[in-house]
Amino acid sequence: GIQVEQSPPDLILQEGANSTLRCNFSDSVNNLQWFHQNPWGQLINLFYIPSGTKQNGRLSATTVATERYSLLYISSSQTTDSGVYFCAVENPTGNTPLVFGKGTRLSVIA
Amino acid sequence: GAGVSQSPRYKVTKRGQDVALRCDPISGHVSLYWYRQALGQGPEFLTYFNYEAQQDKSGLPNDRFSAERPEGSISTLTIQRTEQRDSAMYRCASSLSVGSEQETQYFGPGTRLLVL
Repeated sequence: GIQVEQSPPDLILQEGANSTLRCNFSDSVNNLQWFHQNPWGQLINLFYIPSGTKQNGRLSATTVATERYSLLYISSSQTTDSGVYFCAVENPTGNTPLVFGKGTRLSVIA
Repeated sequence: GAGVSQSPRYKVTKRGQDVALRCDPISGHVSLYWYRQALGQGPEFLTYFNYEAQQDKSGLPNDRFSAERPEGSISTLTIQRTEQRDSAMYRCASSLSVGSEQETQYFGPGTRLLVL
């Protein structure tokens, strides 16, 4: 099956710093989503982005489908950004379950 | 409803007991998914439904696990004769349909199961 690798596994940032999280996948995809799992365990959808670029406030994401990677940018990080960021992909046949990476654990310190 | 809801939020049970976990998807969402998440890991697929039809149950670990969605809305995941290794967060997600952004999956808060 499709493989999803995220890097870095852990990241510590000073409040206000910027960061880039990466997701590599082993096959073509027709769905890619970024999620934030907050410290209370809620899994919050950030972006649906199988290709192209999207922005939402301080967050933006870019997926280069032909090169099989996606990037999540966090600018001016805040302590509330802490948690685990997951990338998840769906294979090209569609309407299939998401395959998740192991996540990047982000800690933003004041 | 406004989002995916799950109940109970926490369940502690003794080994050998059966448990039933409930998921109420976003109103009108066709597809419903069940995932299991171990501590420190990403969610892993268990099974999913389109309307009331179970499309794929390849992720169910063994025959103690079953799921149903009889009226195409609420779904129940049942674990029979629970074992300690079943302890995990069980997450439900729903999506509007197939194709483009309609495939976006939205997750509920999860049920944290602890088997003693």
